[in-house]
Amino acid sequence: EAGVTQFPSHSVIEKGQTVTLRCDPISGHDNLYWYRRVMGKEIKFLLHFVKESKQDESGMPNNRFLAERTGGTYSTLKVQPAELEDSGVYFCASSQVGGRAGADTQYFGPGTRLTVL
Amino acid sequence: RKEVEQDPGPFNVPEGATVAFNCTYSNSASQSFFWYRQDCRKEPKLLMSVYSSGNEDGRFTAQLNRASQYISLLIRDSKLSDSATYLCVVNMGPRGSTLGRLYFGRGTQLTVWP
Repeated sequence: EAGVTQFPSHSVIEKGQTVTLRCDPISGHDNLYWYRRVMGKEIKFLLHFVKESKQDESGMPNNRFLAERTGGTYSTLKVQPAELEDSGVYFCASSQVGGRAGADTQYFGPGTRLTVL
Repeated sequence: RKEVEQDPGPFNVPEGATVAFNCTYSNSASQSFFWYRQDCRKEPKLLMSVYSSGNEDGRFTAQLNRASQYISLLIRDSKLSDSATYLCVVNMGPRGSTLGRLYFGRGTQLTVWP
């Protein structure tokens, strides 16, 4: 079974530019999460989709960040315009809904390392 | 105050040693607890869930103390391959709920040397 995939693995952009990150969850996982780790800090939650609906977006830093999950499959996270403090590793995770024990385990993708210059 | 606090280490131990990591969480409403392992420049991977009665998986033992809001991870007979960062992770919702947001500690770095 394929795991969570993310694209690109690395992105280097200049301040003011736009970047779009993509996440493909494990097939059949309705829950999709975005997290971010900035240097020297803990991994922090950004938002949670259940299928195509935003369940919780309270972790989004500001309105420069836009997440979508049209069709309830893959998700994109767009940062526009990017600022220096947006640099970090963006992780995506997915999980199943309910069911057997352990079904809510979140499986993480390899992350996208974003550097804003 | 941070939701999850961990001793960042680093812990440097010889092969075969026993090492313990501790973690505290601030929200008494927290219901699900996990230890994740993260290798350098890799994604976090679930090591084990932590249950109220404590649980063991081979060389790894996790304990939860709800009264003290404290979680521990014990690794016995350390292997070189155990070298990684160990993340204490908390979820406010019960297992299987839609309250999926995870709160992470900053991680404890472990190096096992030969």
